[in-house]
Amino acid sequence: DTGVSQDPRHKITKRGQNVTFRCDPISEHNRLYWYRQTLGQGPEFLTYFQNEAQLEKSRLLSDRFSAERPKGSFSTLEIQRTEQGDSAMYLCASSPTLTGVDEQFFGPGTRLTVL
Amino acid sequence: DAKTTQPTSMDCAEGRAANLPCNHSTISGNEYVYWYRQIHSQGPQYIIHGLKNNETNEMASLIITEDRKSSTLILPHATLRDTAVYYCIVRVINTDKLIFGTGTRLQVFP
Repeated sequence: DTGVSQDPRHKITKRGQNVTFRCDPISEHNRLYWYRQTLGQGPEFLTYFQNEAQLEKSRLLSDRFSAERPKGSFSTLEIQRTEQGDSAMYLCASSPTLTGVDEQFFGPGTRLTVL
Repeated sequence: DAKTTQPTSMDCAEGRAANLPCNHSTISGNEYVYWYRQIHSQGPQYIIHGLKNNETNEMASLIITEDRKSSTLILPHATLRDTAVYYCIVRVINTDKLIFGTGTRLQVFP
């Protein structure tokens, strides 16, 4: 399968714990995006990378959230001191930067439940 | 905030055309109209995008009005597998984020 993969698919944690999610983009896609989706809402943008550089962060990304893409390939999203309001689906997407190609390919998401 | 307005839900009979409208009255000259859909428990999937001309691909057709203030996504022969939430998004091409609204929940029935 050459699509975007995310791990884990489901995570249940207790309030106050730290969690880390991983995203593996499609090979050679140099743009990588993180979104968050709560029930009944469309996905909300969190942050994106061009190669290893983090180019934009949403105000939704509080100081408890950090994202990295150290080698310009896979990315991790860490949430520290989780809160019940962090319960959501976390989606990763990737895209190439080729002229005429402007499609973001989404992974299946990681569903986080904070108890 | 999303720059588009879509109906909350629509129904369509299997085999019939599904026509999903979208209003984007404040669209700028350099903004494209994109459509994505999200089948239950999956990530969103790109469908089509266009600037001002009508576009067609293997999945759907996109009809954009001459004043570009609205558009319609057409699924020519809807199947049960087309049941999903459909999002209309306006955005400058090759920019960064997608801004999703709440979309239209399309239910295709037998």
